[in-house]
Amino acid sequence: EDQVTQSPEALRLQEGESSSLNCSYTVSGLRGLFWYRQDPGKGPEFLFTLYSAGEEKEKERLKATLTKKESFLHITAPKPEDSATYLCAVHLGGTSYGKLTFGQGTILTVHP
Amino acid sequence: DGGITQSPKYLFRKEGQNVTLSCEQNLNHDAMYWYRQDPGQGLRLIYYSQIVNDFQKGDIAEGYSVSREKKESFPLTVTSAQKNPTAFYLCASSPYSPIQGYTEAFFGQGTRLTVV
Repeated sequence: EDQVTQSPEALRLQEGESSSLNCSYTVSGLRGLFWYRQDPGKGPEFLFTLYSAGEEKEKERLKATLTKKESFLHITAPKPEDSATYLCAVHLGGTSYGKLTFGQGTILTVHP
Repeated sequence: DGGITQSPKYLFRKEGQNVTLSCEQNLNHDAMYWYRQDPGQGLRLIYYSQIVNDFQKGDIAEGYSVSREKKESFPLTVTSAQKNPTAFYLCASSPYSPIQGYTEAFFGQGTRLTVV
């Protein structure tokens, strides 16, 4: 069964305290891994796309990496405005081609 | 402006009634998706469609129905068979690339459905 698991469920950081969020996947035929940010009451906002192991993408304080089994979202020197729920998703291949499956998300809170 | 429009933003329904949520995109994307989100939860896939007049069940399709008569429209009907319909509903679309397949999805702002 295809599964996407995110950890931790919630993460509290002090401003400037760097950390990482994890997204592990067990899928038959990965056709892309995506990171999103979601603010309360709003739709998810696209952050990054990763397609192959070893790939890295960066944007401001965020850096996403991908291995064959998991992806990390590294947050360097976070600020309170980085507080949000971070979601990862995978596009599947094979008989589920086109299906986009999400993990449960990590709720990030950054205290000033 | 290009984007995905969901309407209405808030919807109230009486028990036993069907209700239809609208989703329109002007991005010329091939694939469209419907998700349900409950408080503190991730997104669960209800239905998805890769082309007009074709769609597939997601992980929680029971009690829901969809249609894809036009490329830009993918309405979701929440039927009276859905036992616990109160939730936040999100629609998304993604383009297709011949090299990479379906790429990143973009979301609407959601419809919050409350059964009263």
